[in-house]
Amino acid sequence: GAGVSQSPSNKVTEKGKDVELRCDPISGHTALYWYRQSLGQGLEFLIYFQGNSAPDKSGLPSDRFSAERTGGSVSTLTIQRTQQEDSAVYLCASSSQRLNIQYFGAGTRLSVL
Amino acid sequence: DAKTTQPNSMESNEEEPVHLPCNHSTISGTDYIHWYRQLPSQGPEYVIHGLTSNVNNRMASLAIAEDRKSSTLILHRATLRDAAVYYCILRSGTYKYIFGTGTRLKVLA
Repeated sequence: GAGVSQSPSNKVTEKGKDVELRCDPISGHTALYWYRQSLGQGLEFLIYFQGNSAPDKSGLPSDRFSAERTGGSVSTLTIQRTQQEDSAVYLCASSSQRLNIQYFGAGTRLSVL
Repeated sequence: DAKTTQPNSMESNEEEPVHLPCNHSTISGTDYIHWYRQLPSQGPEYVIHGLTSNVNNRMASLAIAEDRKSSTLILHRATLRDAAVYYCILRSGTYKYIFGTGTRLKVLA
């Protein structure tokens, strides 16, 4: 497909477990973003990758959250020892360097029981 | 970081124009004004953006105040498919977006 793809679309986990969320950006897009959206709230910036530069991790809420982007393409957001307050929709977006318009995936809805 | 202020919700009748306001009194000279919308159960989608001049595209128009402290997104003829949360965002620096609370637009048939 031509859009940003995220998997899984839904994830239910138990408190204390680790989870991995995946994002496939649009081919050729050098920038990749992760956001978190709690129920009824706006988007909260988590992390930004641009090419081979060091990522901007300033939005990660705790050291339980980490993200990597392999080969400048696919990205994985990992949440360790999940807590109930981590329940939210996690959104990924990508953009090209030339045109700073972000294209979003449909998100992963994470539920921590 | 510059922030935006939007009304929590607005209503419009179908096929009438809609004016969605946004205040950004602390905007800096290099901040672009972006608008995105989020339909139910979907990720946000780009609508329009501008710096100083008014902008038009197939989806909407963006009117930017002369002092740039406010802007208005204009949907010329609202349809039921335009019901969404509309976010007014300032692009700070080269990439960072600061999302506000958004305006939930309800379109009445």
